[in-house]
Amino acid sequence: DAKTTQPTSMDCAEGRAANLPCNHSTISGNEYVYWYRQIHSQGPQYIIHGLKNNETNEMASLIITEDRKSSTLILPHATLRDTAVYYCIVRDTGANSKLTFGKGITLSVRP
Amino acid sequence: ETGVTQTPRHLVMGMTNKKSLKCEQHLGHNAMYWYKQSAKKPLELMFVYNFKEQTENNSVPSRFSPECPNSSHLFLHLHTLQPEDSALYLCASSQDRWGGPTDTQYFGPGTRLTVL
Repeated sequence: DAKTTQPTSMDCAEGRAANLPCNHSTISGNEYVYWYRQIHSQGPQYIIHGLKNNETNEMASLIITEDRKSSTLILPHATLRDTAVYYCIVRDTGANSKLTFGKGITLSVRP
Repeated sequence: ETGVTQTPRHLVMGMTNKKSLKCEQHLGHNAMYWYKQSAKKPLELMFVYNFKEQTENNSVPSRFSPECPNSSHLFLHLHTLQPEDSALYLCASSQDRWGGPTDTQYFGPGTRLTVL
């Protein structure tokens, strides 16, 4: 019962912006969009999350469409160390909600 | 130390051994989690503790026994494991389980477990 759909993989050139898309057409009003990434054989790293508004932090920007049915994670200047599996996750805002990881998208940053 | 730490980082054990995985969080959080990540599979939530009380056990076999002596430490005791239990075991913590942004989970680096 995947709540998000992501492409299997994508690549981008080092130094360029990486735009990672995510579809969540069945998202409800009380669900966040979360992004994590996992570099090979390491623990997932929290990147960013949002509810309705676009968000930015030191790692990335999250752009959520007005209807909230899709979002894009933007890494403004990708480096080789950004090569990882990126997970887009929809999570309920309520107590005891689960963080359900899907297959994610593999981003490969090329020199 | 900052964030969430896990020891050991790698563990090889026989099926008759007893071992323990340790997790420590330095974030002042009150909720802690154990996840399992098998090869080519998504993360599976195993156990959740909130303020030292176990609040979730997702049908995990009894050969895995968690322990949470305080909000900063979480253990996973292992005994008579099977080769199919070989996986990356991940610990995570969050401020609490009350929903909203304080429920954001932060993960440790994991313990790579191999059962022979």
